[in-house]
Amino acid sequence: EAGVVQSPRYKIIEKKQPVAFWCNPISGHNTLYWYRQNLGQGPELLIRYENEEAVDDSQLPKDRFSAERLKGVDSTLKIQPAELGDSAVYLCASSHGQGKETQYFGPGTRLLVL
Amino acid sequence: GNSVTQMEGPVTLSEEAFLTINCTYTATGYPSLFWYVQYPGEGLQLLLKATKADDKGSNKGFEATYRKETTSFHLEKGSVQVSDSAVYFCALSGQGAQKLVFGQGTRLTINP
Repeated sequence: EAGVVQSPRYKIIEKKQPVAFWCNPISGHNTLYWYRQNLGQGPELLIRYENEEAVDDSQLPKDRFSAERLKGVDSTLKIQPAELGDSAVYLCASSHGQGKETQYFGPGTRLLVL
Repeated sequence: GNSVTQMEGPVTLSEEAFLTINCTYTATGYPSLFWYVQYPGEGLQLLLKATKADDKGSNKGFEATYRKETTSFHLEKGSVQVSDSAVYFCALSGQGAQKLVFGQGTRLTINP
């Protein structure tokens, strides 16, 4: 069974440019998460989807970040415009259902903003 | 709010040494507790978990026991290998919530 797929793996952009990250969760997983991991820190949740509905986006900086999960499968996370402080690893995870299901993580996208 | 505090790293051990990485948590109710591992260049992988007090999670020779009285979930392994070199994250999922709250991670290096 394929795991969580993310692309690109690495991205280098200049500040004020837009950037987008893509995630394909494990087949059949209805819950999808985006986390941000700053250097030397643990991941922090940005947004959680149940199917196509964003049910927890309280930590998403909505002035520059947006996300979508059309058709309840793939998801895209966008930053526009990017700032230097956005340099981090962006992780996507998925789980099968509600409750305390195990979350499975993708390899992440490492973003560097210059 | 919920939080996780991990033993600061980096930790460097010789092969076959005994490993302990401390983890304590703050949470209301009865959270689930996890250890995730991140090998170089790879994503986070679930190592083990425990969902209620006194449960012991185990995998690949690693163990951790959910201690509600001390709010701890320390990771142990009796004899580490070079291949165990990675960053280890303790995490919790609060009662009724699905968001994982992570500690800051502990980098472990095992020398041959």
